[in-house]
Amino acid sequence: AQSVTQPDIHITVSEGASLELRCNYSYGATPYLFWYVQSPGQGLQLLLKYFSGDTLVQGIKGFEAEFKRSQSSFNLRKPSVHWSDAAEYFCAVGFYGGSQGNLIFGKGTKLSVKP
Amino acid sequence: GAGVSQSPRYKVAKRGQDVALRCDPISGHVSLFWYQQALGQGPEFLTYFQNEAQLDKSGLPSDRFFAERPEGSVSTLKIQRTQQEDSAVYLCASSLERLGNTIYFGEGSWLTVV
Repeated sequence: AQSVTQPDIHITVSEGASLELRCNYSYGATPYLFWYVQSPGQGLQLLLKYFSGDTLVQGIKGFEAEFKRSQSSFNLRKPSVHWSDAAEYFCAVGFYGGSQGNLIFGKGTKLSVKP
Repeated sequence: GAGVSQSPRYKVAKRGQDVALRCDPISGHVSLFWYQQALGQGPEFLTYFQNEAQLDKSGLPSDRFFAERPEGSVSTLKIQRTQQEDSAVYLCASSLERLGNTIYFGEGSWLTVV
């Protein structure tokens, strides 16, 4: 069965430091990959997505992610974290099939930013 | 509207009560999804509509859960005889069509069953 793993439940970084959030998926073919961010009490906002083509994708708010097929990974990165980036981050996988487009989400990684 | 709109934002229901959660998708969006997000968890798929057709309801946890989208726009998720385990945020999302387009999420309806 398809699954998404975000190994880190909670990460704390200092403001200005670099960030990498990990995401691994289990799926038999190339999936569609997404990163969403959720602030407390808010819905999900799309940061970036990968469908095909260049494996390094750029998103909003200075985020980027790299699809690595050999590692079944889609890690999210940001070179310099801002205090406003504190939120919960969800990796999600989509695929064509009977469900026609539903997404499978990881359990999320909560990001805290130290001043 | 500019985004996916959900109502009510917050609902407290007594155990056994029926609730109805409304979703107003982005105008023109063909696809509509419902997700359930328990505290501390990622969203989990409940059901999917393409226009008025409910093409997938494999994620609905029990027959107490029912969703409809009769005219292909507004959707309602109904939960009958609510139980404490139904307490969660119910997220609605929409997109232009099936996978390949960005899925936009609403802010959710927070349901607490007491």
